[in-house]
Amino acid sequence: GDSVTQMEGPVTLSEEAFLTINCTYTATGYPSLFWYVQYPGEGLQLLLKATKADDKGSNKGFEATYRKETTSFHLEKGSVQVSDSAVYFCALVQGGVTGGGNKLTFGTGTQLKVEL
Amino acid sequence: AAGVIQSPRHLIKEKRETATLKCYPIPRHDTVYWYQQGPGQDPQFLISFYEKMQSDKGSIPDRFSAQQFSDYHSELNMSSLELGDSALYFCATQQDRRDTEAFFGQGTRLTVV
Repeated sequence: GDSVTQMEGPVTLSEEAFLTINCTYTATGYPSLFWYVQYPGEGLQLLLKATKADDKGSNKGFEATYRKETTSFHLEKGSVQVSDSAVYFCALVQGGVTGGGNKLTFGTGTQLKVEL
Repeated sequence: AAGVIQSPRHLIKEKRETATLKCYPIPRHDTVYWYQQGPGQDPQFLISFYEKMQSDKGSIPDRFSAQQFSDYHSELNMSSLELGDSALYFCATQQDRRDTEAFFGQGTRLTVV
């Protein structure tokens, strides 16, 4: 079945440091890939997504590129802020499925802590 | 903009009691997904509905049941609650088209004591 593997956390960085959170996946077909962010006590918010190979998703300074050849979707940000402290989940959905079949498969999440 | 509404936000129940969680989708969203997130865990898919019919099923215990109503809201019913059912329960809703994203509610935190 489908699966997502993320680098384990927690990751602790100083403000303005460069961030990379690795994510690789195993899936049949051509999945869509997502990064979700979860702040303490909150729900899941979509951070960015990519629906096909070589697509780059970007939002709020975060970027991730869908690499089919390496089955990866690594999250990057050039300069993190304290407000970026949260748990980040990589996830996939089988592409092109309708009728309620678009369940998300999540990675285990990576906790990011950014310090001054 | 309207978001996915879940109620209640917090719920405390005793073992062997029952609980009902509700999810109200964004207007025109006809698909609902339920997920369970244990402490420090990733969300696990439980069940989904499309046009009021169950469409997919994940790791949902037999003690749990769910349905989607004519107004597209959904309810997750949990009986004979166990301590291990303590978790954050999310619903996500989606408009049924290819490659559209699902929007999550803020979740219901269920604590079983």
